[in-house]
Amino acid sequence: EVQLVQSGAEVKKSGESLKISCEGSGYSFSTYWIGWVRQMPGKGLEWMGIIYPGDSDTRYSPSFQGQVTFSADKSISTAYLQWNSLRASDTAMYYCARQRDRWRPPDYWGQGTLVTVSS
Amino acid sequence: QSVLTQPPSASGTPGQRVIISCSGSSSNIGSETVNWYQQLPGTAPKLLIESNNQRPSGVPDRFSGSKSGTSASLAISGLQSEDEADYHCAAWDDSLNGVVFGGGTKLTVL
Repeated sequence: EVQLVQSGAEVKKSGESLKISCEGSGYSFSTYWIGWVRQMPGKGLEWMGIIYPGDSDTRYSPSFQGQVTFSADKSISTAYLQWNSLRASDTAMYYCARQRDRWRPPDYWGQGTLVTVSS
Repeated sequence: QSVLTQPPSASGTPGQRVIISCSGSSSNIGSETVNWYQQLPGTAPKLLIESNNQRPSGVPDRFSGSKSGTSASLAISGLQSEDEADYHCAAWDDSLNGVVFGGGTKLTVL
């Protein structure tokens, strides 16, 4: 069974750093892309970009380029989403999701990580 | 403003058939396949339809998808109370080089 399990909810202050995780199981983690999707409170889904754990090839949506960093450790089947300096506007639910190919929308999704940033 | 356009809301009574639309352009729906997701309150999105009209294992055949030109549709027949959720469409966009989503449609079962 394909599963993506994300790390727990976080409460941070503006300016702090944060790294959340997404562990895959039930499939060959290295050979599928992992995408990150933001959902702000009461809003729709926004695709942030993707990473290929096999070689860490990374593509960012222009809206998120320079704001976040993706990384992956294929030895432990885990992908990461990182901020160096959080802002209140980063408050949202963040999902990781598997993409069979770079150009396909996601199929399996993680349960989400709620990030709350206070000013 | 989302790249794909969905109606913000839809509604129906139990047993009815409801259709949710998703409008795009030649760089996304017009040239790429569409996925649909169901997001129940307080949960993560779940794949409902992939590649325009394919139901993953376990998805009831009450749910069906179609695509024509630069628009796609999700049809739900035999509406049930547990279908009350947000529904999102998505496709790859060749111009933006990324996945684009609709704004989501909140389905209410009256």
